[in-house]
Amino acid sequence: DAGVIQSPRHEVTEMGQEVTLRCKPISGHNSLFWYRQTMMRGLELLIYFNNNVPIDDSGMPEDRFSAKMPNASFSTLKIQPSEPRDSAVYFCASSPQSSGGNTIYFGEGSWLTVV
Amino acid sequence: GESVGLHLPTLSVQEGDNSIINCAYSNSASDYFIWYKQESGKGPQFIIDIRSNMDKRQGQRVTVLLNKTVKHLSLQIAATQPGDSAVYFCALGFGNEKLTFGTGTRLTIIP
Repeated sequence: DAGVIQSPRHEVTEMGQEVTLRCKPISGHNSLFWYRQTMMRGLELLIYFNNNVPIDDSGMPEDRFSAKMPNASFSTLKIQPSEPRDSAVYFCASSPQSSGGNTIYFGEGSWLTVV
Repeated sequence: GESVGLHLPTLSVQEGDNSIINCAYSNSASDYFIWYKQESGKGPQFIIDIRSNMDKRQGQRVTVLLNKTVKHLSLQIAATQPGDSAVYFCALGFGNEKLTFGTGTRLTIIP
């Protein structure tokens, strides 16, 4: 079974550049989550969608971050302009339930370095 | 707000021994608990879960124990193997609220 698929797996970019991270959730799952993981802050929920609709974006750090889910099988997380402090691992995850309190399944992450 | 913490940030166990990883939480309304394993360079992987109407659940070499009275969750791994070395996270939820993750315990298996 295909799990959550993320791309790119690794990206190094210069400060000020736009970064777009992509995610394909598990087929049939109707909740999608974007997390950020750093040594200092651990796993932070940035935003999650139910049935393609953003439900809670209170974790999005600032206006430089935006996320979209145009259909049930695709989502993007965009950072524009990127800054060195955005360097982190960004995980996409999906869940088969239309609620937040159930098991979520993670992708392998996108490792972002902003120099 | 919700507080989820692990008792130890690191734990070293001899290969073949059993290990216990602990997690404390503050929200007594939590009704769903999950353990995740994260290996180096990978995403968190679901291991086992338990609902609040249970106090014990077993999987393959793993057991999760839930003590709602003291708001404590533990993960027991039997006969540890080198492949068990990873960071382990507890996560909890209640109702339709999003999961809250703990800070993680790094388990190292000593050959």
